Amino acid sequence: QISLKESGPTLVKATQTLTLTCTFSGFSLSTTGVGVGWIRQPPGKALEWLALIYWDGDKRYSPSLNSRLTITKDTSKNQVVLTMTNMDPVDTATYLCAHSLSVAAAFDYWGQGTLVTVSS
Amino acid sequence: QSALTQPASVSGSPGQSITISCTGTSSDVGAYNYVSWYQQHPGKAPKLMLYDVTKRPSGVSNRFSGSKSGNTASLTISGLQAEDEADYYCCSYARSNTWVFGTGTKVTVL
Repeated sequence: QISLKESGPTLVKATQTLTLTCTFSGFSLSTTGVGVGWIRQPPGKALEWLALIYWDGDKRYSPSLNSRLTITKDTSKNQVVLTMTNMDPVDTATYLCAHSLSVAAAFDYWGQGTLVTVSS
Repeated sequence: QSALTQPASVSGSPGQSITISCTGTSSDVGAYNYVSWYQQHPGKAPKLMLYDVTKRPSGVSNRFSGSKSGNTASLTISGLQAEDEADYYCCSYARSNTWVFGTGTKVTVL
């Protein structure tokens, strides 16, 4: 069955770069159509889509965060990595990764998320 | 790219039906039939409830249904049950191959 798990630091300082890893199983990111996305959720607030990478290496970013985000994949390790530069306390959130079955498809499997706190 | 607009809260008694709206623009909800809905219980990951506006993933109750008209999508929960009490988020594929989530709706079962 499909599963995803996020990992990374729980605390970062303002202006630092955050690096998060999504390790997954049960599917291959080399399968046509498949994508893995990142979504975040500040405490008590709504979900916000951040980025997605497709099986063919195509990358999509949130327009409002595009300049700060980089998403990459390591198909052999079944991992997707998200980096976010110049972190700010407002970036404090639970960061989740999710599987997408095809282009424009919904996010059908989610990790449990990892809470990242940004200190000033 | 602004978040899709949802009512902050909706409530209903057990057995009743409720509808949650999700209003976007002609660049997202109105442009594609790729609206999905997610249920999120406190401290849990979101769960996909509907995709492509009206389709239910395997295992999701047929009490959940979806529709869309113009720039507004809707989720209807019929036969409301205590376990349906949760936060619900809509999400739409948008131009430039991006996604946008809704502001979220807290469903309370009275």
